[in-house]
Amino acid sequence: AQTVTQSQPEMSVQEAETVTLSCTYDTSENNYYLFWYKQPPSRQMILVIRQEAYKQQNATENRFSVNFQKAAKSFSLKISDSQLGDTAMYFCAFMKLVGNQFYFGTGTSLTVIP
Amino acid sequence: DVKVTQSSRYLVKRTGEKVFLECVQDMDHENMFWYRQDPGLGLRLIYFSYDVKMKEKGDIPEGYSVSREKKERFSLILESASTNQTSMYLCASSSGKLGKLFFGSGTQLSVL
Repeated sequence: AQTVTQSQPEMSVQEAETVTLSCTYDTSENNYYLFWYKQPPSRQMILVIRQEAYKQQNATENRFSVNFQKAAKSFSLKISDSQLGDTAMYFCAFMKLVGNQFYFGTGTSLTVIP
Repeated sequence: DVKVTQSSRYLVKRTGEKVFLECVQDMDHENMFWYRQDPGLGLRLIYFSYDVKMKEKGDIPEGYSVSREKKERFSLILESASTNQTSMYLCASSSGKLGKLFFGSGTQLSVL
């Protein structure tokens, strides 16, 4: 069975600062995808970033980057130059390639303080 | 852009009522999912479907059923609503080729 753990229920960061959200997962699969999704107060889930497990290079999307440590089964999200619009719930997710099932963590509520 | 549409944003029902939550996607995705979101519990998978008329149980299927008569539509049915089914319900779809999940905007269901 796959599990995804987010150990930080709530975090806050000053505007323009950098923050890192933690995620660990457990799987016996070798090929899979990892994701960070953002859910702002509007409730619409938005894909932030995606990482293929077979790629060693960490994914980046503008101010968002990940630190993917496959052996440690760790997948943290770094947000640089935090903006007020980054205030949201962030979910880490794992997807098996066989079956396309997604598994989600319990989320981290991030507040960006002006 | 992929669009996943959930028919209701807010819904209030009485215990014992039969409730239908509808979801439609417009990108010909083969996979569709229903999740339930509760504070501190994250997203939990109720049911999913890989094709028309196919359905698979997720982690918490009890008290729910689903219907997928057409590829673009995936319905979640609460046969007899109970107060512990008060929650946010999220529909999602994906294509195996893309490896991404696309979500609807959610239905906040209150069962009184």
